[in-house]
Amino acid sequence: AQRVTQPEKLLSVFKGAPVELKCNYSYSGSPELFWYVQYSRQRLQLLLRHISRESIKGFTADLNKGETSFHLKKPFAQEEDSAMYYCAPAYNFNKFYFGSGTKLNVKP
Amino acid sequence: DADVTQTPRNRITKTGKRIMLECSQTKGHDRMYWYRQDPGLGLRLIYYSFDVKDINKGEISDGYSVSRQAQAKFSLSLESAIPNQTALYFCATSDPPRNEQFFGPGTRLTVL
Repeated sequence: AQRVTQPEKLLSVFKGAPVELKCNYSYSGSPELFWYVQYSRQRLQLLLRHISRESIKGFTADLNKGETSFHLKKPFAQEEDSAMYYCAPAYNFNKFYFGSGTKLNVKP
Repeated sequence: DADVTQTPRNRITKTGKRIMLECSQTKGHDRMYWYRQDPGLGLRLIYYSFDVKDINKGEISDGYSVSRQAQAKFSLSLESAIPNQTALYFCATSDPPRNEQFFGPGTRLTVL
């Protein structure tokens, strides 16, 4: 079975500090990799996808195929970044597997 | 705005009852999904459908069935609800090639 691991349930940082949310996935072929975010009282929504190599709201994600990791990073966290973050590799034509999520709390 | 809607938003039911959760979308997407979310476990895929005549089991389909009545509608049924099906249920849609998933607001189901 495909697996995705987000080892931190909760990550607390101060505003302006760097943040890294970890994600490791089990290897099977070449999954497409995504990060989804859920802000308070909002729906789950796409943050970024690896194939686009994009930076959204200052976040980037580096794919390391050797370590099968797709960690999400931001150099300077903002209070509005506080949310639940889910790593989601997609296998087999768009079949997604979501991690258990990391709650990011950015303190003022 | 094109949207994904779910009804009901909250439901409390008793063990053994049949329950249907409905999902509708106005995004015009062919692909639709049902997930359940449990604390500490993230989202797990129950069923997915790539078009009206296509239904596929996901990771945890036992105890559930689905019906794709039209491109815009995808219903999830619990034939005989049990307490460990208490969870938050999400519907989602997507459209290739971008493969971004668009989620509904969720249905909170409690089985007593």
